[in-house]
Amino acid sequence: NAGVMQNPRHLVRRRGQEARLRCSPMKGHSHVYWYRQLPEEGLKFMVYLQKENIIDESGMPKERFSAEFPKEGPSILRIQQVVRGDSAAYFCASSPPEGSYEQYFGPGTRLTVT
Amino acid sequence: KQEVTQIPAALSVPEGENLVLNCSFTDSAIYNLQWFRQDPGKGLTSLLLIQSSQREQTSGRLNASLDKSSGRSTLYIAASQPGDSATYLCAVSSTGANSKLTFGKGITLSVRP
Repeated sequence: NAGVMQNPRHLVRRRGQEARLRCSPMKGHSHVYWYRQLPEEGLKFMVYLQKENIIDESGMPKERFSAEFPKEGPSILRIQQVVRGDSAAYFCASSPPEGSYEQYFGPGTRLTVT
Repeated sequence: KQEVTQIPAALSVPEGENLVLNCSFTDSAIYNLQWFRQDPGKGLTSLLLIQSSQREQTSGRLNASLDKSSGRSTLYIAASQPGDSATYLCAVSSTGANSKLTFGKGITLSVRP
């Protein structure tokens, strides 16, 4: 059973470009979370999605950031017009629809904005 | 607003020592608490999950305890090894099943051979 998969693992974008980060949850998991880890800071929650629904986006910046989890395919975190302050590690986690609701994390995407 | 604190930020111990990592949280109305390990430049590995109704969980040389009333959890590592060197993160889920995790900043552990 493959774990949570994220790609790309490393992404370099120039200021003003768009960044697209992908996350495939573990098999059988229908809940996806995105977290951001800024240098010298802890992980911060961004958004929680189920298939075709955003459940909690209280941690998402109001502008330039969006997330989706379509019926088919991976979850995508999109950052438009990136700025240097967006440079961080972005982690995706997934959890099963029932049981302990333990969250399992992917390896992360490290975004560098030049 | 839930806040999670882990002190100290870094810890260095000789190999073989038993050690305790502390975690405190401000809102005792938690659903569960997870301890993670993060190696440099890597993702998070879940070590232990404690449901709010539980007092402790054990896995191998690791034991995690939870005291909701005092807002504290500890991760006990027995007979530490150099391979245990990593950052240990504590996270709580506050608002029910399948809700967001609030993380502490972590404790960076170094086990000296």
